[in-house]
Amino acid sequence: DAGVTQSPTHLIKTRGQQVTLRCSPISGHKSVSWYQQVLGQGPQFIFQYYEKEERGRGNFPDRFSARQFPNYSSELNVNALLLGDSALYLCASSLMGQGNQPQHFGDGTRLSIL
Amino acid sequence: AQSVAQPEDQVNVAEGNPLTVKCTYSVSGNPYLFWYVQYPNRGLQFLLKYITGDNLVKGSYGFEAEFNKSQTSFHLKKPSALVSDSALYFCAVRERGAGSYQLTFGKGTKLSVIP
Repeated sequence: DAGVTQSPTHLIKTRGQQVTLRCSPISGHKSVSWYQQVLGQGPQFIFQYYEKEERGRGNFPDRFSARQFPNYSSELNVNALLLGDSALYLCASSLMGQGNQPQHFGDGTRLSIL
Repeated sequence: AQSVAQPEDQVNVAEGNPLTVKCTYSVSGNPYLFWYVQYPNRGLQFLLKYITGDNLVKGSYGFEAEFNKSQTSFHLKKPSALVSDSALYFCAVRERGAGSYQLTFGKGTKLSVIP
């Protein structure tokens, strides 16, 4: 079975632009979470979606938004990009979104802001 | 609020020797605890989790972790290190019943296994 897939793998943008990152969860998984990993740090939680509803939001500005589609895939949007948004963006899926279930991660989208 | 501390930025161990990667956590209630491994230019791979029950948890690739409630620790261990174990290791915590399923990660520990 395919794991979590993310696209694109790499992306270069300039300050002020907007970006959309995409994620397809493992088949059968209904929960998707997004994380930002800055070089040298652990992943920081951005959003969690379960059954197309937002279930959690981390400490990120309103420039960050996300949604989940009926097929459980998800998009992360970031507006008005800043240099500090340069990071690896990770998507993770889990079966039911319950707290005791591990999350399975994709290989991420590396976003570079010039 | 929940938090994780990994006090060592880097751990070096000789191949064949036992390894320990340390983790302490803080939550208001009871925790779910996880270990993940990250190889260069890859996402995180799940190793093991503590939910309830036995304090010693066994996971993938011969790794295990010991939950200690009084010390709020969840150290990762392996009896005999392999060169292929060299990677970045992350401990993560989630509070039970918190409503949101946010995972909070430590900053990571780089493990280097020396041949």
